[in-house]
Amino acid sequence: GQQVMQIPQYQHVQEGEDFTTYCNSSTTLSNIQWYKQRPGGHPVFLIQLVKSGEVKKQKRLTFQFGEAKKNSSLHITATQTTDVGTYFCAELQTGANNLFFGTGTRLTVIP
Amino acid sequence: DAGITQSPRYKITETGRQVTLMCHQTWSHSYMFWYRQDLGHGLRLIYYSAAADITDKGEVPDGYVVSRSKTENFPLTLESATRSQTSVYFCASSPGQGLPQHFGDGTRLSIL
Repeated sequence: GQQVMQIPQYQHVQEGEDFTTYCNSSTTLSNIQWYKQRPGGHPVFLIQLVKSGEVKKQKRLTFQFGEAKKNSSLHITATQTTDVGTYFCAELQTGANNLFFGTGTRLTVIP
Repeated sequence: DAGITQSPRYKITETGRQVTLMCHQTWSHSYMFWYRQDLGHGLRLIYYSAAADITDKGEVPDGYVVSRSKTENFPLTLESATRSQTSVYFCASSPGQGLPQHFGDGTRLSIL
C-alpha cells in the first residue's frame, strides 16, 4: 500500500527547544492536513493547507505547504510538555478520493 | 469528540471468531471511515463509505466486511479473526470528500 513519508519518526527535545516534522510526496497534492494524537488518544485535526506556498500559524505552531504542493512541514516554537504526542500529515493527492496518512513523528518533550 | 462514538473500547477474542466493531456519529456526516493503527504503519484505511449503502475498499480491506444501512452507523466486522488483526481500530467521519476527519476514541482489539 501507499506510504506517505514523514521524517523524523521520533524526536526528543528539551522543553523550550524548537521542533520540526516534514512530510514529502512524490506527487502533487490537492491539500494536506495535519493531525495530533496524544498518547492513548485519537487523532485530532489541526489544520488544512490548500494553496501553494501557504503558511498558517496557530500560536506556537507554524504550518507550511511547499510551492510545488509536494511537501509540507510543521514547526513548533519553544516546545512545552503539552506538545507531547504523534503528529501526522495526511495527504489528498490530486484526483484521489481519500487521505493517505503519514507514519507520523512521535515527539517527546523532556521537562 | 462526543459526536462520534465507538464500541466496545476494548475487546479480546480468539482466532476464528467473528467480531463486530460499532461506530455511530451524530453529525449526519456523509463520509465515514475505518482505520487500523499499528506501530510503524501509522493509520491505514480499511474501508470507507461516501453515503448510506455506498462502501468502498481502502488500503487493507482483506478479512473485513462493512455495511452502512443508515447514515449514522458504520459497523466493521471481522468474519474470522486472525492474530494479524490485533490492532487499534479508529472510526472517523467527515462532511465531504477530502475534508477534515473527526475520529472516535478507538477500539483496542486483541486476538489470541
